[in-house]
Amino acid sequence: DAGVTQSPTHLIKTRGQQVTLRCSPKSGHDTVSWYQQALGQGPQFIFQYYEEEERQRGNFPDRFSGHQFPNYSSELNVNALLLGDSALYLCASRARGVPTGELFFGEGSRLTVL
Amino acid sequence: GENVEQHPSTLSVQEGDSAVIKCTYSDSASNYFPWYKQELGKRPQLIIDIRSNVGEKKDQRIAVTLNKTAKHFSLHITETQPEDSAVYFCAASLSGTASKLTFGTGTRLQVTL
Repeated sequence: DAGVTQSPTHLIKTRGQQVTLRCSPKSGHDTVSWYQQALGQGPQFIFQYYEEEERQRGNFPDRFSGHQFPNYSSELNVNALLLGDSALYLCASRARGVPTGELFFGEGSRLTVL
Repeated sequence: GENVEQHPSTLSVQEGDSAVIKCTYSDSASNYFPWYKQELGKRPQLIIDIRSNVGEKKDQRIAVTLNKTAKHFSLHITETQPEDSAVYFCAASLSGTASKLTFGTGTRLQVTL
């Protein structure tokens, strides 16, 4: 089992650009959530996807959007990048039908905005 | 919304000593409290969790205690080893929304020989 896989692992963008990050959940998981982890901080919840719909959202602007595909994989899109968007973006997945099941994290995509 | 405070931000202990990390939460409705360990450049990994219907849970050298009245929970690591060195995060959520974790700011634990 490959666990939660994310791509790309590192990327550099400039202010105003757009970025798409990708996530494949752990086998058997259907719920995907995204977190932003700034340097030296704890992860902050962005949103959660289940059955291809956004189910919950944290305190992030509309520049942050996402999508979930029928195979449960997910994308995080960030438009009009700001310097403050530089962070590690973590994808996490949870077991199907187990609302309180363990949240598995991927290794993350490190975004640098110049 | 939920707010989780974590202390200390850094902790240095000698190998074999115990380490304690403390967290407080603000939302009395929160009922699920996981602890994650994150090594440098790695993903956060769940090490132990506790739900509000229990006051203490232990797994080998790791234990977590929960005081619902005080809205306080703690991680205890006994007989620390160098491989315990990492950043530890506490978190809180409503069990029905366990994907939406509110994390503390982390504790960097350094175990010295």
